[in-house]
Amino acid sequence: EAQVTQNPRYLITVTGKKLTVTCSQNMNHEYMSWYRQDPGLGLRQIYYSMNVEVTDKGDVPEGYKVSRKEKRNFPLILESPSPNQTSLYFCASRDDKTETYEQYFGPGTRLTVT
Amino acid sequence: AQSVSQHNHHVILSEAASLELGCNYSYGGTVNLFWYVQYPGQHLQLLLKYFSGDPLVKGIKGFEAEFIKSKFSFNLRKPSVQWSDTAEYFCAVTLSGGYNKLIFGAGTRLAVHP
Repeated sequence: EAQVTQNPRYLITVTGKKLTVTCSQNMNHEYMSWYRQDPGLGLRQIYYSMNVEVTDKGDVPEGYKVSRKEKRNFPLILESPSPNQTSLYFCASRDDKTETYEQYFGPGTRLTVT
Repeated sequence: AQSVSQHNHHVILSEAASLELGCNYSYGGTVNLFWYVQYPGQHLQLLLKYFSGDPLVKGIKGFEAEFIKSKFSFNLRKPSVQWSDTAEYFCAVTLSGGYNKLIFGAGTRLAVHP
């Protein structure tokens, strides 16, 4: 089944404790992206990657890092989480071959930083 | 800056009522347009998309949307809503050029009462 998976789905952590949220897709998509969803703000892009070893900042990159060593994986790293990073996070991948640029979303990771 | 506006943040309807959710974007170039739906506790799913051709687009679950280029609008409609349509709806626009960034509106939360 074609899908985007994320782990963990729920995470409660404390300020300053490094964490990684994994994202994996099995559709051989080159483009992947991370978003955070906050009430009244919709989804905002954190980072994106056009291909392996090619990453760039989105609209709200502060406090986050990403890496793209393999095509299928795009982990999101919070080196020193803070309470303002409490949010719902979505990973997505995109099929650029169709030129419709439709994105496929993972199930989401709900992060709480205390 | 490019943006997507959804006019209604919260909509409450009774079953069988008609639905129209407004979406406007600010971008003068070529766009691809999407409506995503997020059911409670679930990830985003694509309802419908406009890429080219007929500006009236039909999606899943009886939803449709009309692209009116002169008004920069892509409103979502359904003639008769059901309780199961209770969800949050996001309009999104992909801007041509660059890396075809996807920009989301803030979302409209729809509650349908039996």
